[in-house]
Amino acid sequence: DAKTTQPPSMDCAEGRAANLPCNHSTISGNEYVYWYRQIHSQGPQYIIHGLKNNETNEMASLIITEDRKSSTLILPHATLRDTAVYYCIVRVKGNTPLVFGKGTRLSVIA
Amino acid sequence: DGGITQSPKYLFRKEGQNVTLSCEQNLNHDAMYWYRQDPGQGLRLIYYSQIVNDFQKGDIAEGYSVSREKKESFPLTVTSAQKNPTAFYLCASSMRGEAFFGQGTRLTVV
Repeated sequence: DAKTTQPPSMDCAEGRAANLPCNHSTISGNEYVYWYRQIHSQGPQYIIHGLKNNETNEMASLIITEDRKSSTLILPHATLRDTAVYYCIVRVKGNTPLVFGKGTRLSVIA
Repeated sequence: DGGITQSPKYLFRKEGQNVTLSCEQNLNHDAMYWYRQDPGQGLRLIYYSQIVNDFQKGDIAEGYSVSREKKESFPLTVTSAQKNPTAFYLCASSMRGEAFFGQGTRLTVV
C-alpha cells in the first residue's frame, strides 16, 4: 500500500502558484520523497525528489517539513499544461519499485 | 535519443489469446518494471527486475509472465489466465534513482 496521503483534487488559477500537499507520517529515515505527474494517457514524468532539505529544479520546488512527516510540491507559475495527476511517493533510493497511490488531480484553470 | 520505448501504443486481442507487450530501454538501467493502470486509478505493480535473468512478482502478477534475458529488454506476456486484461500498461526503468516511464500500451481484449 502507498505510504502517502494526498487530497484527491485541487484547482489552481493559471499563473498562480500551485501548492500540492502530501502526508507521509510513517516515513523512515532512509526514505526519500519523490514526486511524479501523469498527464492524461501518458506515462508518469519524474518531477523532483528530496530527503530532508528543500529542493528546487526547473520544474518545481519541494518543501519537506523538519519532522519529515509531510511535504509540499510547489509549481511556481502554473500553466494549463500542468493539468495532471500528481503522485507523491516515499521510497528508499535505489531500485525498489515505486508504489503509487491515487494522487492529486490538479486542474489549472484559465 | 535515450529513453524507454513501448510498442505498440494500441493493441487489440481476442479473449483467450496470449499477447506480449514490448519494452526496450537504451539508458543502461539495471532495473525495469511493469505497471498496470485501470481508468481513474493509480498504477499497480505487476513484475519488476533489478538485474538481468532475475525478476520478482509485484502486487498483481497472476495471469502475467515476464523475462529478462537482456539488460535493455523486459517483455510482458498477458496470458489467457488474466481474467480482466483490458488496461493501460506502463513500463519503467531506473538506475539507483528516479524511474523513467515509457508512453504505455493500451491493451483491449474483445
